[in-house]
Amino acid sequence: SAVISQKPSRDICQRGTSLTIQCQVDSQVTMMFWYRQQPGQSLTLIATANQGSEATYESGFVIDKFPISRPNLTFSTLTVSNMSPEDSSIYLCSVRGRAAETQYFGPGTRLTVL
Amino acid sequence: RKEVEQDPGPFNVPEGATVAFNCTYSNSASQSFFWYRQDCRKEPKLLMSVYSSGNEDGRFTAQLNRASQYISLLIRDSKLSDSATYLCVVRDPGGYQKVTFGTGTKLQVIP
Repeated sequence: SAVISQKPSRDICQRGTSLTIQCQVDSQVTMMFWYRQQPGQSLTLIATANQGSEATYESGFVIDKFPISRPNLTFSTLTVSNMSPEDSSIYLCSVRGRAAETQYFGPGTRLTVL
Repeated sequence: RKEVEQDPGPFNVPEGATVAFNCTYSNSASQSFFWYRQDCRKEPKLLMSVYSSGNEDGRFTAQLNRASQYISLLIRDSKLSDSATYLCVVRDPGGYQKVTFGTGTKLQVIP
């Protein structure tokens, strides 16, 4: 199994500011995923972060709003830029297991934008 | 039609009861199916994969009906600790293997 940590675990931010969320995995993985889970909703994939190439964004998500870095095989960051209250959500980092059958999630970052 | 649909519940059942959840998916080419469990304010964790022949893990049984495009999860002898949200997860074929999560079914087991 993969052990994933995220920082910060929670934050309260003012609108118009940006927050960078860090994700650290205890093993090397090719693909890392960033999800958003809004209150009472399921998980929505924001983007897939590949090491050495630009992230692949899902429909409705753009790089200017959610820039992603993937400097190596164990680490990624997601920035939520120019935040508004609608960005209040839990942001989860995820990786797939070696057999690609299982998907592991970090503990999440709970973001509140005032 | 949503890609993956679940009844959000909540399902309130007494301890010891048997409860079943269904999930329908829209892409007939979907390849892999899973049930995840998400406790309140926690991240989702894999409960079990769902195989074509059906599979059982203790009190939990998962089944797949490709013809009708639905999967099910049966929980027997419910425990208080089973209270959680159960997420249906579908993975598409191909190199990218896009994963889609259902909105989840909330289960509350009552003493």
